[in-house]
Amino acid sequence: DGGITQSPKYLFRKEGQNVTLSCEQNLNHDAMYWYRQDPGQGLRLIYYSQIVNDFQKGDIAEGYSVSREKKESFPLTVTSAQKNPTAFYLCASSGRQGGLDEQYFGPGTRLTVT
Amino acid sequence: AQKITQTQPGMFVQEKEAVTLDCTYDTSDQSYGLFWYKQPSSGEMIFLIYQGSYDEQNATEGRYSLNFQKARKSANLVISASQLGDSAMYFCAMILPGDNKLTFGGGTRVLVKP
Repeated sequence: DGGITQSPKYLFRKEGQNVTLSCEQNLNHDAMYWYRQDPGQGLRLIYYSQIVNDFQKGDIAEGYSVSREKKESFPLTVTSAQKNPTAFYLCASSGRQGGLDEQYFGPGTRLTVT
Repeated sequence: AQKITQTQPGMFVQEKEAVTLDCTYDTSDQSYGLFWYKQPSSGEMIFLIYQGSYDEQNATEGRYSLNFQKARKSANLVISASQLGDSAMYFCAMILPGDNKLTFGGGTRVLVKP
């Protein structure tokens, strides 16, 4: 089955540690995205990538980093510089760069930092 | 910058009845896409329906229809014959061509009563 997988579903870390969230897609999509969702709110864009080896900052990129070495994979690292990292993180992909295609989302990773 | 507004934080609806979720948007662009996503308690974002700004007819997908009023900049979602499984958060979102992000509204929580 084609889709997007994110692992793990729940993640707990101590303050000051970097943590990497996984996102893999087998939809052969060019574009991939990372969003953050805080309780009771909509999603905000962290980073996006239109093609391999290229990525751009979204609205709230500070304290995060990404890589896009393979078309299928777009991992997100939450660094210790992120002031409020506890949140729900959603990865998405879409078929065309800059098009009006719908974005397909993974199941999300709920990160708790204490 | 584009903006999406969902004015209803929460709604109750009786099973088998229809419900309308409001969404207004603000953009100076003539070309854009509007989406509705459903987010159940599991957290996954499920794509429901899409409306392009140049589409002359309102979009429909099964029990979901989009009441698109371009002059009023509104894109309300209508869910007909509500089912218990429709209980979830619903988000309206917009994308511009050449842009690379979905701009989300704050969401509306729907609870279907038996």
